[in-house]
Amino acid sequence: KQEVTQIPAALSVPEGENLVLNCSFTDSAIYNLQWFRQDPGKGLTSLLLIQSSQREQTSGRLNASLDKSSGRSTLYIAASQPGDSATYLCAVSSGGGADGLTFGKGTHLIIQP
Amino acid sequence: NAGVTQTPKFQVLKTGQSMTLQCAQDMNHEYMSWYRQDPGMGLRLIHYSVGAGITDQGEVPNGYNVSRSTTEDFPLRLLSAAPSQTSVYFCASKRGLTYLNTEAFFGQGTRLTVV
Repeated sequence: KQEVTQIPAALSVPEGENLVLNCSFTDSAIYNLQWFRQDPGKGLTSLLLIQSSQREQTSGRLNASLDKSSGRSTLYIAASQPGDSATYLCAVSSGGGADGLTFGKGTHLIIQP
Repeated sequence: NAGVTQTPKFQVLKTGQSMTLQCAQDMNHEYMSWYRQDPGMGLRLIHYSVGAGITDQGEVPNGYNVSRSTTEDFPLRLLSAAPSQTSVYFCASKRGLTYLNTEAFFGQGTRLTVV
């Protein structure tokens, strides 16, 4: 059974710092990996989708990398801002009939002004 | 473009009551699914559908029914609500399994409390 782990569970940093969020998964046979952002009491907003054949994806100040063979992904946030404060979720799609997403428990990020 | 729309946003039920959580998408996506989010557990798949008329169970299906009569709608029914079903429910959609590497879009969630 696929398991996804996110480290750290919580992170608090001053504004302006560059930071890295980590995601690991136990079964490397994935189709893609998606990073989401969730604000308190809100839904999930997709940030980046990395196909299994890709090594990284970039969107603005965000860069996500994927090392499928080692079961790891990182989300790099450059020049962090208070508006980046949220919970960041990593999810992998392992295909198959269900093709559902297996989620990590998230990293709760606070950017201090 | 509305994306994925869930109603209601909040609901309080008494134990034993039934209700339907609504989900609609306007992106012509074949694949739709329901998740529940519980503290310390992450999101878990309840049911999914790969197209109109086709549904199947996910990881935690007990106590829930689904149907998919149209491409746009995928309602989730609680047959007899229990306190263990207190959770936040999310509906998601994406292009079908013939497009495996596609982005999933989520609704804003329904916060359900069963007393």
